[in-house]
Amino acid sequence: AQTVTQSQPEMSVQEAETVTLSCTYDTSESDYYLFWYKQPPSRQMILVIRQEAYKQQNATENRFSVNFQKAAKSFSLKISDSQLGDAAMYFCAYRSEQGAQKLVFGQGTRLTINP
Amino acid sequence: DSGVTQTPKHLITATGQRVTLRCSPRSGDLSVYWYQQSLDQGLQFLIQYYNGEERAKGNILERFSAQQFPDLHSELNLSSLELGDSALYFCASSVGGVGGEQFFGPGTRLTVL
Repeated sequence: AQTVTQSQPEMSVQEAETVTLSCTYDTSESDYYLFWYKQPPSRQMILVIRQEAYKQQNATENRFSVNFQKAAKSFSLKISDSQLGDAAMYFCAYRSEQGAQKLVFGQGTRLTINP
Repeated sequence: DSGVTQTPKHLITATGQRVTLRCSPRSGDLSVYWYQQSLDQGLQFLIQYYNGEERAKGNILERFSAQQFPDLHSELNLSSLELGDSALYFCASSVGGVGGEQFFGPGTRLTVL
């Protein structure tokens, strides 16, 4: 079974600075998807960014980018120019390409933005 | 707004009772997923339906059941409720293809007293 681990329960960053959230995963599969979801105080789950395992190029969405290291099974999220609205829980998630399409989530990292 | 709707937003009930949570997927999405978010278990996959058929099962208790109706809305039934069932229950939907994104509803907050 696949597992996802986020080793940083909490992180904080100064507004306008850059922060990196860590995620590692364990799988025997070669094809899969990785995601970062944001959960603000409203509790809504919002997709931030996705990465297909077969793509070597790291995904980027505006101020959000990932560092995908397939051999190391590492998938970190970098937030540049942090804004107060980025404050939230961030969840790393794994999904197989075949079989069940369920998302397997990490424990989450609570990100605080200091003004 | 993801386009996925869930009702009710909040539900408060007593131990031993039964409740039904409802989810309407985004227009055109055939797959519905149910997830449970609790303090001790985190976010866990419960069950998936695709076009009315059960597709995958996760850590869903026998006291819990779900179904997807012909109009593609889904219901999650929780019975013989225990204090530990208090959680946020999310529904997500996707088109159902291999690369389909899952879009989450706002969740139903269940409190069992």
